[in-house]
Amino acid sequence: AQSVTQPDIHITVSEGASLELRCNYSYGATPYLFWYVQSPGQGLQLLLKYFSGDTLVQGIKGFEAEFKRSQSSFNLRKPSVHWSDAAEYFCAVGAMGGNKLVFGAGTILRVKS
Amino acid sequence: GAGVSQTPSNKVTEKGKYVELRCDPISGHTALYWYRQSLGQGPEFLIYFQGTGAADDSGLPNDRFFAVRPEGSVSTLKIQRTERGDSAVYLCASSLRQGGPETQYFGPGTRLLVL
Repeated sequence: AQSVTQPDIHITVSEGASLELRCNYSYGATPYLFWYVQSPGQGLQLLLKYFSGDTLVQGIKGFEAEFKRSQSSFNLRKPSVHWSDAAEYFCAVGAMGGNKLVFGAGTILRVKS
Repeated sequence: GAGVSQTPSNKVTEKGKYVELRCDPISGHTALYWYRQSLGQGPEFLIYFQGTGAADDSGLPNDRFFAVRPEGSVSTLKIQRTERGDSAVYLCASSLRQGGPETQYFGPGTRLLVL
């Protein structure tokens, strides 16, 4: 069965500092991986996705993520955080031919000025 | 609008009552998904429709939960005899479902509170 672990429940970074949010997944075959962001009271917005090919993927709002098969990881990064990035971030895994996404518990990002 | 819409945005009900939550997917998307997000958790899969049929309902917690999509577009999630533990945000998503990997696009959710 698929599972996703986001080890950090909360992360606080200073505005302008770099960011890395961790995601580890468990899945027996090639996974499809996603990062979504959720602002308070809002739905989930897709930041980026990995299906195949280049393991470094670029997303919206200056985010990127790197798929590392050997580490079963798909960490999200941003070189310089803006106050508007404060939100909750979810990593999710899907299966080829599958229909459901399995989400991690989320990481709440706080940005201090 | 072009996105997934859900109504109502908030629903307060009393224990034991029946509720219906509606989802209107992105036009042209044949696949529709329901998830439930409890406080402090990530979304959990409930049910998936391909067209009018429920292709996978393995995530429905019990027989009090039921969902329909009679014309292959709008879907309604129905909860009978609501319990306080049903309080959560119910998210709907849709995708094109043309085969291969899919991106699911989420609506804003319905926040259900059972008193």
